[in-house]
Amino acid sequence: GQQVMQIPQYQHVQEGEDFTTYCNSSTTLSNIQWYKQRPGGHPVFLIQLVKSGEVKKQKRLTFQFGEAKKNSSLHITATQTTDVGTYFCAEIYNFNKFYFGSGTKLNVKP
Amino acid sequence: DAGVTQSPTHLIKTRGQQVTLRCSPKSGHDTVSWYQQALGQGPQFIFQYYEEEERQRGNFPDRFSGHQFPNYSSELNVNALLLGDSALYLCASSLGTGALATEAFFGQGTRLTVV
Repeated sequence: GQQVMQIPQYQHVQEGEDFTTYCNSSTTLSNIQWYKQRPGGHPVFLIQLVKSGEVKKQKRLTFQFGEAKKNSSLHITATQTTDVGTYFCAEIYNFNKFYFGSGTKLNVKP
Repeated sequence: DAGVTQSPTHLIKTRGQQVTLRCSPKSGHDTVSWYQQALGQGPQFIFQYYEEEERQRGNFPDRFSGHQFPNYSSELNVNALLLGDSALYLCASSLGTGALATEAFFGQGTRLTVV
């Protein structure tokens, strides 16, 4: 399977600031999914990106898939304390096999 | 509509022992995947079951085995436990269409501690 690298590993922001996490691969991804895991919780599906250059929005969250399908990003505008958690990108290959990145842990100070 | 349920929620075992973890998938899902999540890491794929067979496997030793039952529920067995097996074990269910992947629904996990 391919590997996806996520940066940064940690991000501490003041409430109201923006946040971005990046997911990079050395090879072309067929599609990518994003998950959020709250402290002590389990990963919860956020979005799936399939098309080159695709941009999807969910309220304050914006997800992008690179033109070459080798990278993806998640941007949160005006963070809130409810955004605290670890955000994972996951590469899906062999139809239903998921390879998760190492995650970006977001801490939001009120 | 029950989501993915896992049991037990917590477990403490001694090195060398064997453990069995259980998972019931979300209603309507036929594919179950197991993941190991060490502290501070992303979930690592162990294996996937579909139609009662192991379809895909990650980079885990043979000490990790599993089973899927006709009702789609699944078990993860780990033999000869090592201290390094201590982790959160997550079960995820999805619909095995063989086409575009569907989202994975995760259970709350089983926290295994090996002492």
